[in-house]
Amino acid sequence: NAGVTQTPKFQVLKTGQSMTLQCAQDMNHEYMSWYRQDPGMGLRLIHYSVGAGITDQGEVPNGYNVSRSTTEDFPLRLLSAAPSQTSVYFCASRTEPASGNTIYFGEGSWLTVV
Amino acid sequence: GQNIDQPTEMTATEGAIVQINCTYQTSGFNGLFWYQQHAGEAPTFLSYNVLDGLEEKGRFSSFLSRSKGYSYLLLKELQMKDSASYLCAVSDSNYQLIWGAGTKLIIKP
Repeated sequence: NAGVTQTPKFQVLKTGQSMTLQCAQDMNHEYMSWYRQDPGMGLRLIHYSVGAGITDQGEVPNGYNVSRSTTEDFPLRLLSAAPSQTSVYFCASRTEPASGNTIYFGEGSWLTVV
Repeated sequence: GQNIDQPTEMTATEGAIVQINCTYQTSGFNGLFWYQQHAGEAPTFLSYNVLDGLEEKGRFSSFLSRSKGYSYLLLKELQMKDSASYLCAVSDSNYQLIWGAGTKLIIKP
């Protein structure tokens, strides 16, 4: 049981480049989320999904796209990278909130945009 | 607006006890989480409170008062490995998590 697998762990991008952060979970969780974590701030929700085929925006969605074609995978796409997107990104999954309380995080992706 | 407040940094001595406070103002409440995060790593689950009172789990305990919008995490018999950031998060009426900025705990020998 791998839990939440997130890749890549480190990435350097040039301004304007695009890339995809991959996230997969093998726990059959319906809920998946992407967060970014910046110094001095709490985790901020970028996008989330409550099941395959369903996605929604979080607190800071601009500049990011997501899709959820399967229960297992929830990739995050940076469309045109900007220095303001330099951050640590975490993918997370959980069971339907009313039936379970633990949130599982991927190991994180450290992204630098130059 | 929704807000979670916790101290930015705390220092404690190995073997001692430390209490990390968290106050919150959210639209609805469906539970409060505490997570531990070591530098360069992902957050890991410590506790979940949805009813008032104290939940004890080994050296760690978490308390909740819903009427006061207040929680604390109590760490006993501190060890050097407890040096980490401690994140408080509240699940709001839509089950969305609102996160505090975290408390960096420094343990001194």
